[in-house]
Amino acid sequence: NAGVTQTPKFRILKIGQSMTLQCTQDMNHNYMYWYRQDPGMGLKLIYYSVGAGITDKGEVPNGYNVSRSTTEDFPLRLELAAPSQTSVYFCASSYYQGAATEAFFGQGTRLTVV
Amino acid sequence: GENVEQHPSTLSVQEGDSAVIKCTYSDSASNYFPWYKQELGKRPQLIIDIRSNVGEKKDQRIAVTLNKTAKHFSLHITETQPEDSAVYFCAAPLENFGNEKLTFGTGTRLTIIP
Repeated sequence: NAGVTQTPKFRILKIGQSMTLQCTQDMNHNYMYWYRQDPGMGLKLIYYSVGAGITDKGEVPNGYNVSRSTTEDFPLRLELAAPSQTSVYFCASSYYQGAATEAFFGQGTRLTVV
Repeated sequence: GENVEQHPSTLSVQEGDSAVIKCTYSDSASNYFPWYKQELGKRPQLIIDIRSNVGEKKDQRIAVTLNKTAKHFSLHITETQPEDSAVYFCAAPLENFGNEKLTFGTGTRLTIIP
C-alpha cells in the first residue's frame, strides 16, 4: 500500500495562475480531506468528501474547488492564485462506518504564490 | 460555532518531566478523539486515540484521558525525551448535516529541554 500520495511536493505559482493539487489513496477510504497549514499554524479544513460524488466545504473554502469522481482521487483546484494561498497543503483520508477512524496524511505540497 | 480548542500553544519541559496538553470540543455527539504528532517538515501522524466509551488509554509513555461530561480530553507524556519535541494536534469529528468533518485544534509546540 502506498497510502495517501500527493503531487507535486513543491510548486511556485504566479499571482493569477491556476493549478490542481493531486491526491490519491489506495486504502479504499470513503472520507477524504484537504487541509492547509500556514507557517507555524494549525491545520485548517478546506474541503472534505464523504464518498464519490459528494463534497462539502470546510472552514476556508474560498478560492478553491474540489471534485470526487472516484473513491481513490480527490484533486484540489486553485483558480486565480493569490499570495494568501501560500501554504503547505495536506490531503488525508480515513474510513468511516458509524464511527471515525485514524486519518492518514499525504506528505504535503508546499505552494508559494509570488 | 463548532470547533476544537487546544491549550497551551507552546510548552517547554525539562527532559524527564511530564507534559500535558488539553483540548475541548463543542459537539457533544463526537465519539472519537485522536492525537497527532507532527515533526518539523513532515506530515502529521497518529500517536494515540480514544473512543467515547473509554475514559483513559495508555501506550507506554503516552496516555489520553477523556471527560465526556465536560467535553475535554488531554494528552499526557511522561518521562519526556528529546525526540518528543514536535507539534501536537488534537482532533475531533464535528457533525455537519449527518456527516462528520475531522477538525483539528490549533496545535501545541512541545520543546524538551535537555
